[in-house]
Amino acid sequence: QITLKESGPTLVKPTQTLTLTCTFSGFSLTSSGVGVGWIRQAPGKALEWLALIYWDDNKHYSPSLKSRLTVTKDTSKNQVVLTMTNMDPVDTATYYCARRPVSDHFDHWGQGTLVTVSS
Amino acid sequence: DIQMTQSPSTLSASVGDRVTITCRASHSISSWLAWYQQKPGKAPKLLIYKASSLESGVPSRFSGSGSGTEFTLTISSLQPDDFATYYCQQYNTYWTFGQGTKVEIK
Repeated sequence: QITLKESGPTLVKPTQTLTLTCTFSGFSLTSSGVGVGWIRQAPGKALEWLALIYWDDNKHYSPSLKSRLTVTKDTSKNQVVLTMTNMDPVDTATYYCARRPVSDHFDHWGQGTLVTVSS
Repeated sequence: DIQMTQSPSTLSASVGDRVTITCRASHSISSWLAWYQQKPGKAPKLLIYKASSLESGVPSRFSGSGSGTEFTLTISSLQPDDFATYYCQQYNTYWTFGQGTKVEIK
């Protein structure tokens, strides 16, 4: 059974750095072709892709947010970490991590974690 | 950037109706398109990938078609569990989602 779960702060202040952890089970991020992505959803809005890391440590970032994002993996812990710098109230959203199987869609998602940016 | 435009934004339908949602890409994406269903407060659920491949466990009343720039998601006979918001997603160049189509009870 594949599961993913996001964890991190629920409240951050403007200009702070957000660090979120995705802890997963049921698959390995050392398997060829596999990746883990981050997607967010502002309240009442559409989904927005942020970043993705592959089994071989290749990474992709949303062009509009690239300067603020970093994604890393720890295969020994089955974790992927997303950091986003210089947080702003417009970054208030539910943040999801999801598995990319060999193809580039997302077949399993975490439950999401709501992050509010407010002073 | 590849933009994805869904229509309609909201759709009112009754149980048993045949429902079709359209997704258009700003550039050709071949068949690199997925469809997701999302219910309030829940994570998206994969329904269709590679434009027309049904994800394991998804009811056969869901189907996808299209290639290039125009795609459709069809629900052949709408069931009570299907009232939700549906998103298309391209993965030809990075990943982009449509703005969503809410299927509500008529």
